[in-house]
Amino acid sequence: DAGVTQSPTHLIKTRGQHVTLRCSPISGHKSVSWYQQVLGQGPQFIFQYYEKEERGRGNFPDRFSARQFPNYSSELNVNALLLGDSALYLCASSLVAGTDTQYFGPGTRLTVL
Amino acid sequence: GEDVEQSLFLSVREGDSSVINCTYTDSSSTYLYWYKQEPGAGLQLLTYIFSNMDMKQDQRLTVLLNKKDKHLSLRIADTQTGDSAIYFCASSGSARQLTFGSGTQLTVLP
Repeated sequence: DAGVTQSPTHLIKTRGQHVTLRCSPISGHKSVSWYQQVLGQGPQFIFQYYEKEERGRGNFPDRFSARQFPNYSSELNVNALLLGDSALYLCASSLVAGTDTQYFGPGTRLTVL
Repeated sequence: GEDVEQSLFLSVREGDSSVINCTYTDSSSTYLYWYKQEPGAGLQLLTYIFSNMDMKQDQRLTVLLNKKDKHLSLRIADTQTGDSAIYFCASSGSARQLTFGSGTQLTVLP
């Protein structure tokens, strides 16, 4: 079975632009979480979605938004990009929401110039 | 808020055992996880332990949990060069999220 997939692999944007990152969970998993990993740090929680509803939100500005589709895939959107948004964005899937074990994708490396 | 702390670096000789330590603050943590990250890659789930367990063994990996002291450790037996990576400890508590430490860079010397 395929694991968690994310696209694109790498992305370069300039300040003020908008970006959309995509994630497909493991088949049968209904929950998707997004994390931001800045270089040299551990991942920080951004959002969790389950059955298309937001179930958790981390301490990120409103420039960050996400949604989950009926097929359980998900998009993370970031508006008005800042240099500090440069990071590895990780998607994780789990069977259900809450404390269920999360499996991570390879990430999308975003560079903001 | 919740916090997870790890030492930043660990170097061991090939064939020795490695012990990576972690402390956490959330007493409601239900599961505690160890993930491995190789350069330029995502996170690979290594193992996890439920909060009512003291120890879990999985091949070369042994996880010890001291719930009273909120201390978690990962022991890797017979460490190999392929084990060189960053290891993250993570807790899942009352919030619907994982809280990660800053990671421990394990370097295995030949």
